[in-house]
Amino acid sequence: AQTVTQSQPEMSVQEAETVTLSCTYDTSENNYYLFWYKQPPSRQMILVIRQEAYKQQNATENRFSVNFQKAAKSFSLKISDSQLGDTAMYFCAFAEGGSEKLVFGKGTKLTVNP
Amino acid sequence: DAGITQSPRHKVTETGTPVTLRCHQTENHRYMYWYRQDPGHGLRLIHYSYGVKDTDKGEVSDGYSVSRSKTEDFLLTLESATSSQTSVYFCAITGDSGANVLTFGAGSRLTVL
Repeated sequence: AQTVTQSQPEMSVQEAETVTLSCTYDTSENNYYLFWYKQPPSRQMILVIRQEAYKQQNATENRFSVNFQKAAKSFSLKISDSQLGDTAMYFCAFAEGGSEKLVFGKGTKLTVNP
Repeated sequence: DAGITQSPRHKVTETGTPVTLRCHQTENHRYMYWYRQDPGHGLRLIHYSYGVKDTDKGEVSDGYSVSRSKTEDFLLTLESATSSQTSVYFCAITGDSGANVLTFGAGSRLTVL
């Protein structure tokens, strides 16, 4: 079974600085998708970024980018120019290609300090 | 919330009572999911559906049942609630299993006393 590990339960960063959240996963599949979801205090789950395993180029969305290392099975999220509104739980998630099911990590609680 | 609503949003009940949570979507999406969120565990899949009357178990399905009689509604039932089922429950939908991008409801907080 696929597993997703987020080794940092909590992190903090100063406003305007850069922070990187770690995620590793375990799979024997070659075709899969990786995601980062954000959950602010409102509890709403919001997709931040998505990466397809067959694409070597790292996905970016504005201030959010990933470092996808397929051989190492690593998928870290970098947040640049951190803002107070980035304070949230961040979940890494994995899905096999063609599967309907997402497997989530346990989450990293990020606090952005003014 | 992109056409997905959960009800009730909050519920307090007693051990041994039945509880049903409802997920309603207006997107006509094929796939619907129920996850539970607990501190230290992230989100864990309870059950999911890939069409009307087509459902399957997730990793934490014990003590839960689901039904989907219409495309738009996916019900999660706790036949006899236990304190270990105190949690926040999220419904999610997707129209394209290949993309795997889920849209989540706002969550339902259930407390079992």
